Amino acid sequence: LAKTTQPISMDSYEGQEVNITCSHNNIATNDYITWYQQFPSQGPRFIIQGYKTKVTNEVASLFIPADRKSSTLSLPRVSLSDTAVYYCLVGQFSGYSTLTFGKGTMLLVSP
Amino acid sequence: GAVVSQHPSWVICKSGTSVKIECRSLDFQATTMFWYRQFPKQSLMLMATSNEGSKATYEQGVEKDKFLINHASLTLSTLTVTSAHPEDSSFYICSASGTSDNEQFFGPGTRLTVL
Repeated sequence: LAKTTQPISMDSYEGQEVNITCSHNNIATNDYITWYQQFPSQGPRFIIQGYKTKVTNEVASLFIPADRKSSTLSLPRVSLSDTAVYYCLVGQFSGYSTLTFGKGTMLLVSP
Repeated sequence: GAVVSQHPSWVICKSGTSVKIECRSLDFQATTMFWYRQFPKQSLMLMATSNEGSKATYEQGVEKDKFLINHASLTLSTLTVTSAHPEDSSFYICSASGTSDNEQFFGPGTRLTVL
């Protein structure tokens, strides 16, 4: 299972763009990169998933360089409600594949 | 995305009693369900993986006789914490995946407090 490294915490202000980078140097060829968001006392919520290049959905963008050894989650114009822990996971997310959660990044958005 | 529910959302019990937590996939068939435990200010830790109709696979250090997992159908898995003690107090989260999905769908979690 590919190990991931993220910053422990980040601070931002409302309206700013936030970029959280994750390192995964030993990512395997068949691995996908998925980001989850978790609020206190709730289960993780899927944000975005990608394999290579750039993926964008209604809430975030995911940038993956050609070597796939890192990825960056970009949250445009964050609000107070984006304060949460963000987890970067690498692996095959279907069937019997297990996931290993790292420590995640605690994002604090201030007014 | 697909929906996974857990019941109960929270439970308080006395030390020595057993507690059952249900995990259901509401709109898809989950061939595999996973059980995680999360202590305060820590990350999720995988406890076990269960496949429908077969015995669960437990992670190292997780007592299979204490944490009984049953995955009797493609939409339901249960975790029973037997003879619970205060150190078992934690947030228990399940997730589910189907064979055709490239995503794990997480439940809302169950807060267990053992007095």
